Amino acid sequence: DTGVSQNPRHKITKRGQNVTFRCDPISEHNRLYWYRQTLGQGPEFLTYFQNEAQLEKSRLLSDRFSAERPKGSFSTLEIQRTEQGDSAMYLCASSLVVLITSYGYTFGSGTRLTVV
Amino acid sequence: AQTVTQSQPEMSVQEAETVTLSCTYDTSENNYYLFWYKQPPSRQMILVIRQEAYKQQNATENRFSVNFQKAAKSFSLKISDSQLGDTAMYFCAFMRSTQGAQKLVFGQGTRLTINP
Repeated sequence: DTGVSQNPRHKITKRGQNVTFRCDPISEHNRLYWYRQTLGQGPEFLTYFQNEAQLEKSRLLSDRFSAERPKGSFSTLEIQRTEQGDSAMYLCASSLVVLITSYGYTFGSGTRLTVV
Repeated sequence: AQTVTQSQPEMSVQEAETVTLSCTYDTSENNYYLFWYKQPPSRQMILVIRQEAYKQQNATENRFSVNFQKAAKSFSLKISDSQLGDTAMYFCAFMRSTQGAQKLVFGQGTRLTINP
């Protein structure tokens, strides 16, 4: 297993277009997270999955955002009708949580979105 | 809500020197985790060190150690014998140790530059 993989690495899109990002987590991990990081800031939580169930969404995740994790494997994050304010690095991470013990996240390299 | 504050936006030291990065946090929780993550330029975020709040002993990983002061809600990172490869953004992060999302709350980051 080579870690958490995200595709594409970079995406430039015109305002109003839809974009979709993919994340492949570490196979042994039972949780998958999406974070957004704007320039010069720390990442902010967007949503997470426990296996295939999406259990929490941040208020940052507007109706234009949707995330899925079919069959509890890879995950996709779609942004519809992109706006310039969506420009950011989108980070995916996976973790192994046993009962309430967390062993920390493994992050992917991120997808940098630029909306022009 | 939990908050994490890193009061040093940038730091710069010479190679082989020791440097300490500051972090304070605010929470009413008693059980939680604290982390330091490193994000090199254009590369993925990696875990540097992890501390469980119920443990009084400070965590150590090779050249990296923390000074965890629970009462003061302080969690600083010390890097000994700094190396050029330590140049990166460093993020302090907090996680509640409960059932639920176990999402990370990040500080704003400290940009550390190690000069030859």
